[in-house]
Formats: sequence, structure tokens, C-alpha cells
Amino acid sequence: AQSVSQHNHHVILSEAASLELGCNYSYGGTVNLFWYVQYPGQHLQLLLKYFSGDPLVKGIKGFEAEFIKSKFSFNLRKPSVQWSDTAEYFCAVRNQAGTALIFGKGTTLSVSS
Amino acid sequence: KAGVTQTPRYLIKTRGQQVTLSCSPISGHRSVSWYQQTPGQGLQFLFEYFSETQRNKGNFPGRFSGRQFSNSRSEMNVSTLELGDSALYLCASSPTTSPTDTQYFGPGTRLTVL
Repeated sequence: AQSVSQHNHHVILSEAASLELGCNYSYGGTVNLFWYVQYPGQHLQLLLKYFSGDPLVKGIKGFEAEFIKSKFSFNLRKPSVQWSDTAEYFCAVRNQAGTALIFGKGTTLSVSS
Repeated sequence: KAGVTQTPRYLIKTRGQQVTLSCSPISGHRSVSWYQQTPGQGLQFLFEYFSETQRNKGNFPGRFSGRQFSNSRSEMNVSTLELGDSALYLCASSPTTSPTDTQYFGPGTRLTVL
């Protein structure tokens, strides 16, 4: 069965610090990868997704993620975080057969100004 | 376009009761998925519907059921509620069942079981 691991449960950063959130998945075949964000009191929304092509994908609000197939990883990065990036971040995977979208347990990011 | 809407937003029930939650997808979206979100387990997939047919089902007991109507609106039902069913229930819609489609989430229904 597919699974997604997000190794950082809670990350605390100061504004302007760089961010990298880890995501690893277990599935041997072709996958589609997603990062979602849930700001306090708001809906889950898509940050970015990868399904083919350039393994470095750019999303909204300056976020990017790199798909490394050999490492089964899809880490999220942002060069300089802002207080408004405080949120919970979820990595998710869906295989090409179209089975369920499986989420990691999430990483809470707290940014202090 | 209006986003995914879920009703009601909040529910309080007691153990043993049953509950029905409703989801209206984005106009034109035909796939609807349901998730349970809890602090301990995170987001867990419940089921996915497309064209009134259940396509995928998560690992939940049979007390959890759902359906989809011809207008793509969906409902989920939980019978014989347990304390552990307290959670945020999220609905997401997408245009098709393509694995590359983005799923758009609603605000959720917060269910509290006393």
C-alpha cells in the first residue's frame, strides 16, 4: 500500500529563514505528487503538484518542490519564509492507476516575526 | 466559480446516533472524495465517487457510507456514532478521476460526538 512520510512534525523558523520540509513516499510505480497548505481557519489549498516533466516545480507564494525519483522524495522549499506562511503543510501522493489520494500526517510551520 | 460547499459546518451528536453530511462540488466537477481529519491520524481517505459510483474506498468500517447524486452532489452517512468519530470531515471535488487532477477542498464539517 502507498504511504507518505513527513518527517518534521513541527518546524519553527524566524522570518527570512529558508525552509525545507521533507516528504517521502512508498510506491514503486509512477506517481503524482502534491503539496497542500492549510492556513489557520482556511480550507486546504494546493501549493503545487508534479506529475511529469521538470522535476523542479514551482507553486504559489514562492514555494517550490523537487521530485527525486531515486530517493522517493518530494521536498518542499522556500528561500525566505514570511510570518504569513504559518500553516500546516501536507504532502500527498496518488498513483497513475487513480487510487486514493494519500496524505502525510502534515508539518506545522510556525514563523515568528 | 463558487467553491466546494459543505453543510452543516458544525454538528454535535451523541453516541449511537447517526449523521448525514452534505457536499456540493464545484460546478462541472464530477468526482467527489471524502476525508476524515483528526489531530492524531491526519487526513484519512474515506471514499471517492464519480458518476454516482463509488470508485475507491478507504479503510473505514461499514458504519461509514456515502452516495453521489446525478447532479454530482454527495452525502456521507455515519451510523451508530462513536466518540472516536469526532473529527473534521472534508469533501473535495475534481473535474474527473484523472490522477493528475487537483482536488479542491471544502471548509469541512466539524462533527463532535458526545
